[in-house]
Amino acid sequence: SQQGEEDPQALSIQEGENATMNCSYKTSINNLQWYRQNSGRGLVHLILIRSNEREKHSGRLRVTLDTSKKSSSLLITASRAADTASYFCATDGNNFNKFYFGSGTKLNVKP
Amino acid sequence: GAGVSQSPSNKVTEKGKDVELRCDPISGHTALYWYRQSLGQGLEFLIYFQGNSAPDKSGLPSDRFSAERTGGSVSTLTIQRTQQEDSAVYLCASSLRAATMKTEAFFGQGTRLTVV
Repeated sequence: SQQGEEDPQALSIQEGENATMNCSYKTSINNLQWYRQNSGRGLVHLILIRSNEREKHSGRLRVTLDTSKKSSSLLITASRAADTASYFCATDGNNFNKFYFGSGTKLNVKP
Repeated sequence: GAGVSQSPSNKVTEKGKDVELRCDPISGHTALYWYRQSLGQGLEFLIYFQGNSAPDKSGLPSDRFSAERTGGSVSTLTIQRTQQEDSAVYLCASSLRAATMKTEAFFGQGTRLTVV
């Protein structure tokens, strides 16, 4: 399988704390993306990092990519209750032109 | 439309019946994807359309599943002789280009299928 796998499966933190989620994948990639899903419905794109990038920021989000370890991390700083959702990483599997998703990390931010 | 539209949003069907799920992608998006998500699980790839190329059907779980994309736009996912294990949320996504081209996927809100 070329799917990414997120870790941990579930994470519960207090509002204001930072949340870190990890993703590991199996094949070489062109890019890796992180998505958020509320209430088991449509996913929303958060951030894309290219294979030649090591770190990227977007607001309170920080993504790192280590292609040698085939892993990525998503850091949400100063979390809010509204950040409660499931977070998925998606890879393109290099030559396969489609998005592969992991099983997700369910984040619960307690107010 | 402004986003990816899926219909119906919810579908309850009896075991053994056929169902059709519809997806209207964002206008101009050449790539269209169907995924299935069982409760609390990740996204399972089903099928991928890219322009006029032959679709990638490698994720379809059985020959009861089929999909079409007419005129490079609207797509229909058909499940024949539904089984209870087909119960899931079926998500459609479109993107401007193929995934390897550093483009993001835009998702519809999904169709929640319940087979009773």
